[in-house]
Amino acid sequence: SQQGEEDPQALSIQEGENATMNCSYKTSINNLQWYRQNSGRGLVHLILIRSNEREKHSGRLRVTLDTSKKSSSLLITASRAADTASYFCATRSMNTGANSKLTFGKGITLSVRP
Amino acid sequence: DAGVIQSPRHEVTEMGQEVTLRCKPISGHNSLFWYRQTMMRGLELLIYFNNNVPIDDSGMPEDRFSAKMPNASFSTLKIQPSEPRDSAVYFCASSLSGGAPTDTQYFGPGTRLTVL
Repeated sequence: SQQGEEDPQALSIQEGENATMNCSYKTSINNLQWYRQNSGRGLVHLILIRSNEREKHSGRLRVTLDTSKKSSSLLITASRAADTASYFCATRSMNTGANSKLTFGKGITLSVRP
Repeated sequence: DAGVIQSPRHEVTEMGQEVTLRCKPISGHNSLFWYRQTMMRGLELLIYFNNNVPIDDSGMPEDRFSAKMPNASFSTLKIQPSEPRDSAVYFCASSLSGGAPTDTQYFGPGTRLTVL
């Protein structure tokens, strides 16, 4: 089963509004990453947050991590039509050896209406 | 850098035919990953390589699937014989070092495979 589960599955907002997407996971992690996928394209890495971090910013993106609740949220402020895409959370388990791999959720489809 | 390169971008074939997907990772990256994406199952890791050596192929669905990485700049994913349920988008991704905890992956544009 997927380690990361995003919520909601789909989100539709007006341009200029903020978009909040959530991710929950089941096992202890070393870090959590968010990726974006535009229609018909590959995934693009957005931001990484380590297990000992609680919040991280990158431009209009803000990511939080609550390891006690095993959850993360991605906030996109002042959304633009170009933010329309699918967003995935991916977790890296505490096993940092060669077999440590990223496990992706099923993604959230964000639509930003102009 | 051109990024991860995949070919073909689209493949339509008939059931029973052999399909070969190709990937060129980013130069200098030591790890390569093959994923499959479908609406029903999301993004699934099929196999990944570190320094051209397969590390984990537990995601390969069955013996019809095989992957090779003969050198640091080329990998193939082969399906023989193909079946309609193999229809999906197949992504190749590469990273500097797959074993590093903060390693991030760079995805190619994908190959959309349709098996009739």
